[in-house]
Amino acid sequence: GENVEQHPSTLSVQEGDSAVIKCTYSDSASNYFPWYKQELGKRPQLIIDIRSNVGEKKDQRIAVTLNKTAKHFSLHITETQPEDSAVYFCAASPSSNTGKLIFGQGTTLQVKP
Amino acid sequence: GAGVSQSPSNKVTEKGKDVELRCDPISGHTALYWYRQSLGQGLEFLIYFQGNSAPDKSGLPSDRFSAERTGGSVSTLTIQRTQQEDSAVYLCASSLGILVVNEQFFGPGTRLTVL
Repeated sequence: GENVEQHPSTLSVQEGDSAVIKCTYSDSASNYFPWYKQELGKRPQLIIDIRSNVGEKKDQRIAVTLNKTAKHFSLHITETQPEDSAVYFCAASPSSNTGKLIFGQGTTLQVKP
Repeated sequence: GAGVSQSPSNKVTEKGKDVELRCDPISGHTALYWYRQSLGQGLEFLIYFQGNSAPDKSGLPSDRFSAERTGGSVSTLTIQRTQQEDSAVYLCASSLGILVVNEQFFGPGTRLTVL
């Protein structure tokens, strides 16, 4: 089955710097890759997603890139702010007819003011 | 409109007891998912319901775990003879449907503690 690996497990940056989180997946049939942000004690919330027919997607300070050949995708956050501090999870949907998500282990991002 | 709701928010039980966790999805969402999140870990897929189709139970860790979805809306996750390793936050999510994979909206979770 699908396996998603996420790195790094923790990331600390200065406010205003960029942050990059990387994920690899194993199932070449996976076609949907969302990123969720989870603040302490809160539910996960979608921040951006990308489908397998697209290589890059941007939404203000957040961007995601997908390399289908290498089976990896990355989250890029520019001009980080303290409120970006949270745990970020990548995920992959291994089939177009279930929608179930296989999650990475998460990255704890700390943005220091 | 209202988001996904779950009850109870917290459940403490003794080892060997059965527990039931409830999920109310967003109205109109035909797909419903259960995930488990252990302390400091990622989300582990448990089970998925889509309309009247047979559920995808491939993530259930043992036969002590079961789930049902009545009337295509509310879902109940049941854990029989709970063990300490069952302690985790159980998250429910719902999405619009499956023609195209859609955003999953998560509930607040039920924190289960097995003593």
